[in-house]
Amino acid sequence: DTEVTQTPKHLVMGMTNKKSLKCEQHMGHRAMYWYKQKAKKPPELMFVYSYEKLSINESVPSRFSPECPNSSLLNLHLHALQPEDSALYLCASSGAGHSGNTIYFGEGSWLTVV
Amino acid sequence: DAKTTQPNSMESNEEEPVHLPCNHSTISGTDYIHWYRQLPSQGPEYVIHGLTSNVNNRMASLAIAEDRKSSTLILHRATLRDAAVYYCIINMLTFGGGTRLMVKP
Repeated sequence: DTEVTQTPKHLVMGMTNKKSLKCEQHMGHRAMYWYKQKAKKPPELMFVYSYEKLSINESVPSRFSPECPNSSLLNLHLHALQPEDSALYLCASSGAGHSGNTIYFGEGSWLTVV
Repeated sequence: DAKTTQPNSMESNEEEPVHLPCNHSTISGTDYIHWYRQLPSQGPEYVIHGLTSNVNNRMASLAIAEDRKSSTLILHRATLRDAAVYYCIINMLTFGGGTRLMVKP
Protein backbone atom coordinates (compact mmCIF):
# COMPACT_ATOMS: atom_id res chain seq x y z
CA ASP A 1 0.00 0.00 0.00
CA THR A 2 1.73 3.17 -1.19
CA GLU A 3 -1.18 5.46 -0.59
CA VAL A 4 -1.56 8.78 1.16
CA THR A 5 -5.21 9.59 1.74
CA GLN A 6 -6.42 13.15 2.13
CA THR A 7 -9.86 14.32 3.24
CA PRO A 8 -11.87 16.20 2.29
CA LYS A 9 -11.11 16.45 -1.42
CA HIS A 10 -12.89 19.79 -1.62
CA LEU A 11 -13.58 22.33 1.12
CA VAL A 12 -15.28 25.71 0.96
CA MET A 13 -15.03 27.81 4.09
CA GLY A 14 -15.77 31.32 5.20
CA MET A 15 -13.14 33.61 6.62
CA THR A 16 -14.48 33.16 10.16
CA ASN A 17 -14.79 29.38 10.02
CA LYS A 18 -12.60 26.77 11.67
CA LYS A 19 -11.97 23.65 9.64
CA SER A 20 -9.37 20.90 9.35
CA LEU A 21 -7.68 18.97 6.56
CA LYS A 22 -6.75 15.39 7.33
CA CYS A 23 -4.08 13.09 5.97
CA GLU A 24 -3.41 9.42 6.64
CA GLN A 25 -0.76 6.93 5.57
CA HIS A 26 -0.12 3.31 6.55
CA MET A 27 3.29 2.81 5.01
CA GLY A 28 5.13 3.11 8.32
CA HIS A 29 6.61 6.43 7.26
CA ARG A 30 7.89 8.65 10.06
CA ALA A 31 8.11 11.89 8.06
CA MET A 32 5.01 13.75 6.92
CA TYR A 33 4.67 16.98 5.00
CA TRP A 34 2.19 19.70 4.10
CA TYR A 35 2.62 21.61 0.83
CA LYS A 36 0.52 24.42 -0.61
CA GLN A 37 0.06 24.76 -4.36
CA LYS A 38 -1.49 27.71 -6.14
CA ALA A 39 -2.76 27.37 -9.70
CA LYS A 40 -0.01 26.90 -12.29
CA LYS A 41 2.70 27.15 -9.62
CA PRO A 42 4.92 24.47 -8.06
CA PRO A 43 4.12 23.12 -4.60
CA GLU A 44 5.55 25.13 -1.70
CA LEU A 45 6.63 23.38 1.47
CA MET A 46 4.75 24.47 4.59
CA PHE A 47 5.57 22.02 7.37
CA VAL A 48 7.57 18.85 7.95
CA TYR A 49 7.00 16.43 10.82
CA SER A 50 9.65 13.88 11.69
CA TYR A 51 8.82 11.22 14.28
CA GLU A 52 5.66 13.16 15.19
CA LYS A 53 7.62 16.31 15.99
CA LEU A 54 7.53 19.50 13.93
CA SER A 55 10.94 19.81 12.32
CA ILE A 56 10.37 22.45 9.65
CA ASN A 57 7.97 25.39 9.59
CA GLU A 58 8.53 27.50 6.49
CA SER A 59 7.37 30.73 8.19
CA VAL A 60 3.73 29.80 7.69
CA PRO A 61 1.14 32.20 9.19
CA SER A 62 -0.37 31.05 12.49
CA ARG A 63 -3.82 30.76 10.93
CA PHE A 64 -2.47 27.41 9.68
CA SER A 65 -1.85 25.04 12.58
CA PRO A 66 -0.43 21.57 11.93
CA GLU A 67 -0.89 18.60 14.22
CA CYS A 68 0.54 15.09 14.12
CA PRO A 69 -1.51 12.97 16.57
CA ASN A 70 0.39 9.77 15.72
CA SER A 71 2.75 8.38 13.13
CA SER A 72 -0.05 7.69 10.62
CA LEU A 73 -2.03 10.91 10.84
CA LEU A 74 -1.37 14.53 9.98
CA ASN A 75 -3.88 17.34 10.33
CA LEU A 76 -3.88 20.94 9.21
CA HIS A 77 -6.19 23.14 11.27
CA LEU A 78 -7.48 26.23 9.52
CA HIS A 79 -8.81 29.35 11.20
CA ALA A 80 -9.49 32.90 10.04
CA LEU A 81 -8.18 32.24 6.55
CA GLN A 82 -8.08 34.79 3.76
CA PRO A 83 -9.29 34.36 0.17
CA GLU A 84 -5.65 34.27 -0.98
CA ASP A 85 -5.22 31.06 1.03
CA SER A 86 -7.39 29.29 -1.53
CA ALA A 87 -5.18 26.60 -3.04
CA LEU A 88 -4.52 22.88 -3.34
CA TYR A 89 -3.09 21.52 -0.10
CA LEU A 90 -0.93 18.45 -0.55
CA CYS A 91 0.05 15.99 2.13
CA ALA A 92 3.01 13.67 1.65
CA SER A 93 4.99 11.10 3.60
CA SER A 94 8.36 9.39 3.44
CA GLY A 95 10.86 7.49 5.50
CA ALA A 96 12.62 9.84 7.90
CA GLY A 97 16.19 10.90 8.25
CA HIS A 98 17.41 10.44 4.69
CA SER A 99 17.03 12.88 1.85
CA GLY A 100 17.09 10.03 -0.65
CA ASN A 101 13.81 8.60 0.55
CA THR A 102 10.93 8.64 -1.91
CA ILE A 103 8.11 10.98 -0.94
CA TYR A 104 4.57 9.84 -1.65
CA PHE A 105 1.92 12.48 -2.22
CA GLY A 106 -1.81 12.40 -1.69
CA GLU A 107 -4.24 13.70 -4.28
CA GLY A 108 -4.66 16.93 -2.34
CA SER A 109 -7.48 18.91 -0.76
CA TRP A 110 -8.86 21.80 -2.80
CA LEU A 111 -9.57 24.70 -0.45
CA THR A 112 -11.68 27.70 -1.36
CA VAL A 113 -11.97 30.57 1.12
CA VAL A 114 -14.95 32.83 0.56
CA ASP B 1 18.48 25.23 -0.05
CA ALA B 2 19.67 24.26 -3.49
CA LYS B 3 17.69 25.84 -6.32
CA THR B 4 16.81 24.26 -9.65
CA THR B 5 16.33 25.76 -13.10
CA GLN B 6 14.23 24.06 -15.75
CA PRO B 7 12.82 25.15 -19.12
CA ASN B 8 9.21 26.28 -18.83
CA SER B 9 7.96 23.94 -21.51
CA MET B 10 9.05 21.32 -24.02
CA GLU B 11 7.32 19.51 -26.83
CA SER B 12 7.82 16.00 -28.09
CA ASN B 13 6.33 13.66 -30.63
CA GLU B 14 4.76 10.46 -29.46
CA GLU B 15 7.07 7.41 -29.46
CA GLU B 16 10.20 9.61 -29.52
CA PRO B 17 12.70 10.03 -26.67
CA VAL B 18 12.50 13.13 -24.50
CA HIS B 19 15.37 14.71 -22.59
CA LEU B 20 14.29 17.06 -19.81
CA PRO B 21 17.19 19.13 -18.42
CA CYS B 22 17.67 20.59 -14.96
CA ASN B 23 20.40 22.83 -13.59
CA HIS B 24 21.19 22.71 -9.88
CA SER B 25 24.55 24.43 -9.58
CA THR B 26 24.27 25.00 -5.80
CA ILE B 27 23.71 21.34 -4.97
CA SER B 28 25.70 20.01 -2.02
CA GLY B 29 27.50 16.70 -1.87
CA THR B 30 24.79 14.86 0.06
CA ASP B 31 21.77 16.24 -1.79
CA TYR B 32 19.72 13.77 -3.77
CA ILE B 33 18.18 14.77 -7.10
CA HIS B 34 14.51 13.84 -7.35
CA TRP B 35 12.16 14.00 -10.32
CA TYR B 36 8.41 14.05 -9.94
CA ARG B 37 5.64 14.69 -12.41
CA GLN B 38 2.20 16.12 -11.90
CA LEU B 39 -0.89 15.64 -14.00
CA PRO B 40 -3.72 18.19 -13.81
CA SER B 41 -5.74 17.96 -10.59
CA GLN B 42 -3.47 15.25 -9.15
CA GLY B 43 -0.71 15.13 -6.58
CA PRO B 44 2.90 14.85 -7.76
CA GLU B 45 3.99 11.35 -8.73
CA TYR B 46 7.47 9.96 -8.11
CA VAL B 47 9.50 9.32 -11.26
CA ILE B 48 13.10 8.70 -10.26
CA HIS B 49 15.91 9.90 -8.02
CA GLY B 50 19.67 9.58 -7.72
CA LEU B 51 22.77 10.86 -5.99
CA THR B 52 25.80 10.45 -8.24
CA SER B 53 25.39 7.55 -10.63
CA ASN B 54 22.96 7.34 -13.51
CA VAL B 55 19.76 5.55 -12.60
CA ASN B 56 17.21 3.55 -14.57
CA ASN B 57 13.75 2.34 -13.67
CA ARG B 58 10.66 1.25 -15.56
CA MET B 59 9.49 4.84 -16.04
CA ALA B 60 12.63 6.71 -17.00
CA SER B 61 16.38 7.16 -16.79
CA LEU B 62 18.26 9.81 -14.87
CA ALA B 63 21.59 11.04 -16.17
CA ILE B 64 23.61 13.02 -13.63
CA ALA B 65 26.52 15.19 -14.73
CA GLU B 66 29.91 14.33 -13.29
CA ASP B 67 30.04 17.62 -11.33
CA ARG B 68 26.40 17.04 -10.26
CA LYS B 69 25.45 20.57 -11.23
CA SER B 70 22.93 19.37 -13.78
CA SER B 71 20.87 16.33 -14.57
CA THR B 72 18.63 15.07 -17.37
CA LEU B 73 15.47 13.04 -17.12
CA ILE B 74 15.11 10.74 -20.10
CA LEU B 75 11.79 9.29 -21.20
CA HIS B 76 12.76 6.69 -23.76
CA ARG B 77 9.50 6.66 -25.72
CA ALA B 78 7.07 9.44 -24.92
CA THR B 79 3.39 8.56 -24.82
CA LEU B 80 0.38 10.85 -24.58
CA ARG B 81 0.07 9.83 -20.92
CA ASP B 82 3.49 11.35 -20.25
CA ALA B 83 2.14 14.85 -20.86
CA ALA B 84 2.56 16.51 -17.45
CA VAL B 85 4.61 19.05 -15.51
CA TYR B 86 7.97 17.55 -14.57
CA TYR B 87 9.71 18.84 -11.46
CA CYS B 88 13.38 18.49 -10.65
CA ILE B 89 13.78 18.81 -6.88
CA ILE B 90 16.75 18.84 -4.56
CA ASN B 91 16.07 17.24 -1.18
CA MET B 92 12.31 17.63 -1.65
CA LEU B 93 12.34 20.97 0.17
CA THR B 94 12.09 23.33 -2.76
CA PHE B 95 10.36 22.59 -6.04
CA GLY B 96 11.68 24.35 -9.13
CA GLY B 97 9.34 25.90 -11.64
CA GLY B 98 8.92 22.64 -13.53
CA THR B 99 8.79 21.84 -17.24
CA ARG B 100 5.44 21.38 -18.91
CA LEU B 101 5.88 18.51 -21.37
CA MET B 102 3.50 18.41 -24.29
CA VAL B 103 3.35 15.23 -26.38
CA LYS B 104 2.02 15.39 -29.91
CA PRO B 105 0.41 12.33 -31.51
